Amino acid sequence: DAKTTQPTSMDCAEGRAANLPCNHSTISGNEYVYWYRQIHSQGPQYIIHGLKNNETNEMASLIITEDRKSSTLILPHATLRDTAVYYCIVRVYENAGNMLTFGGGTRLMVKP
Amino acid sequence: AAGVIQSPRHLIKEKRETATLKCYPIPRHDTVYWYQQGPGQDPQFLISFYEKMQSDKGSIPDRFSAQQFSDYHSELNMSSLELGDSALYFCASSPQSDTQYFGPGTRLTVL
Repeated sequence: DAKTTQPTSMDCAEGRAANLPCNHSTISGNEYVYWYRQIHSQGPQYIIHGLKNNETNEMASLIITEDRKSSTLILPHATLRDTAVYYCIVRVYENAGNMLTFGGGTRLMVKP
Repeated sequence: AAGVIQSPRHLIKEKRETATLKCYPIPRHDTVYWYQQGPGQDPQFLISFYEKMQSDKGSIPDRFSAQQFSDYHSELNMSSLELGDSALYFCASSPQSDTQYFGPGTRLTVL
């Protein structure tokens, strides 16, 4: 699976949009971009995923550049409960049982 | 909605003892995954099963074994426990190759 690069940490004011970038310049054509977050020692929580089109759900939006070499996760109105480590992961979709490779992530701190 | 169930949630063992962790996937999910997260580290993939067959294997020690049963639940068996095995163990499930959903984890402490 392709490697990803994310900022180590970011701050965001409560109520503002949080924009979390991710670089995945070696992504392959059959690899999806997944975002998970982990709130202190809880199980990682799925947020959103996409292949090449922008995606939106009730939690967040995912913007993927046209060349697919980077993406941005957007939390439109961050709350204190969004404080967590956010992981950007690229993963082949095809084979059942394919693992997720967690690497570093961005520690987002939402401040009042 | 139903989530992944893991038991026990907390487990304390002595060195050289054995431990068994259980995972009950979301209904109709046929694939399970095990991850280990040491203190201050990211989750690391151990092993996965699809339709009761091992699918993918990560950095799982030889002292560990796992299986998936006919009802799709999975068990992770850990023998000759070492202090370094103290960690959070997460199970995830998915329908085939689709999105993985994680359980709340089992916190294993080896004394």
